[in-house]
Amino acid sequence: AQSVTQLDSQVPVFEEAPVELRCNYSSSVSVYLFWYVQYPNQGLQLLLKYLSGSTLVKGINGFEAEFNKSQTSFHLRKPSVHISDTAEYFCAVSEWGNNNDMRFGAGTRLTVKP
Amino acid sequence: NAGVMQNPRHLVRRRGQEARLRCSPMKGHSHVYWYRQLPEEGLKFMVYLQKENIIDESGMPKERFSAEFPKEGPSILRIQQVVRGDSAAYFCASSPSVGDTQYFGPGTRLTVL
Repeated sequence: AQSVTQLDSQVPVFEEAPVELRCNYSSSVSVYLFWYVQYPNQGLQLLLKYLSGSTLVKGINGFEAEFNKSQTSFHLRKPSVHISDTAEYFCAVSEWGNNNDMRFGAGTRLTVKP
Repeated sequence: NAGVMQNPRHLVRRRGQEARLRCSPMKGHSHVYWYRQLPEEGLKFMVYLQKENIIDESGMPKERFSAEFPKEGPSILRIQQVVRGDSAAYFCASSPSVGDTQYFGPGTRLTVL
């Protein structure tokens, strides 16, 4: 079965600095990849997804992620963060033809400081 | 188009009571998924349902937990005889078809006293 590892549990950065949140996955078949954001006491909101095609995926709020098949990674990046980006970020993977079993990483808490 | 709705948003139960969590999928979505998020952890898949059918319940605890998605009305996650370890946030997601993006509700935060 597929699995996801988010390498950093917490990432503190200063406002307007660039940020990268790392995600690696494991699967024996082709996958779909997702990044979700969770603001305090709220549900998950889809940031972006990779299904096929271009490996660079652009999402909402200025985020983007790049699918790297050889490194089995799907790192999330933003060139300049805002205070409002402070949230928990989850990487998720599902296998082609088996999207009912979406596996989530443990999450990375991004804290943007002024 | 309203998003996925869950109620109640917060639920407090004493040990041994029953908890019922409801999820109304987005309009046009016939696939529902339930996840549990324990404190400081990611989401764990519990069960996947289509209308009137449980498709995959591999993540559901074998006892006390059950789920349904009737022909009419919301999907229900039912926890009987709750224990303190059941305290968590329970999220529902829906999609229009299998293999499609899942959209999440705001969650129900269950606290067992």
